[in-house]
Amino acid sequence: DTGVSQDPRHKITKRGQNVTFRCDPISEHNRLYWYRQTLGQGPEFLTYFQNEAQLEKSRLLSDRFSAERPKGSFSTLEIQRTEQGDSAMYLCASSRQGDTGELFFGEGSRLTVL
Amino acid sequence: AQSVTQLDSQVPVFEEAPVELRCNYSSSVSVYLFWYVQYPNQGLQLLLKYLSGSTLVKGINGFEAEFNKSQTSFHLRKPSVHISDTAEYFCAVFGNQFYFGTGTSLTVIP
Repeated sequence: DTGVSQDPRHKITKRGQNVTFRCDPISEHNRLYWYRQTLGQGPEFLTYFQNEAQLEKSRLLSDRFSAERPKGSFSTLEIQRTEQGDSAMYLCASSRQGDTGELFFGEGSRLTVL
Repeated sequence: AQSVTQLDSQVPVFEEAPVELRCNYSSSVSVYLFWYVQYPNQGLQLLLKYLSGSTLVKGINGFEAEFNKSQTSFHLRKPSVHISDTAEYFCAVFGNQFYFGTGTSLTVIP
């Protein structure tokens, strides 16, 4: 069990560029979550997948954000036309369906938009 | 809908002193309650969880929390803190989705 891994750990980009983050969940976990965390705040829910199906999206997730989990394993989160307000830590977590709630988090991908 | 309120954003405490980190929640459905800890430059990890049964739950590193349904609280306690407990602590509620509080920064002073 290698845990949840996220890549890249840090990304610095210029406003208007596109960025993509990848998350590899724990292999037997069929649920995968994306959260965003800014300084002094708790993780804010963005979206989650059960296998390859995206079951819920937060209203925080604007049209510039898109997430995929094409084969029910790894997931990508893409942000198009980045804005300075997108600067945050993007957290991925996974869990098993039916488990009473424990999320296993990756270390996060920190995005800085200049 | 569910929500979580962590009443203290920062808690400084001397080493070996007791500490309580407060958490209140609101929900119209039955929920599960969690405390997660985030050490500097690390991901969140589970400290403890309340699902059902005994209202006093024990977690890792000597932490415990008590579920109080009438007060809708789930406060985290430790009788004697160590320097290594310095971290950010998040209370979370799971009903139909996970919701996290804004976090409490615990600083243990030598």
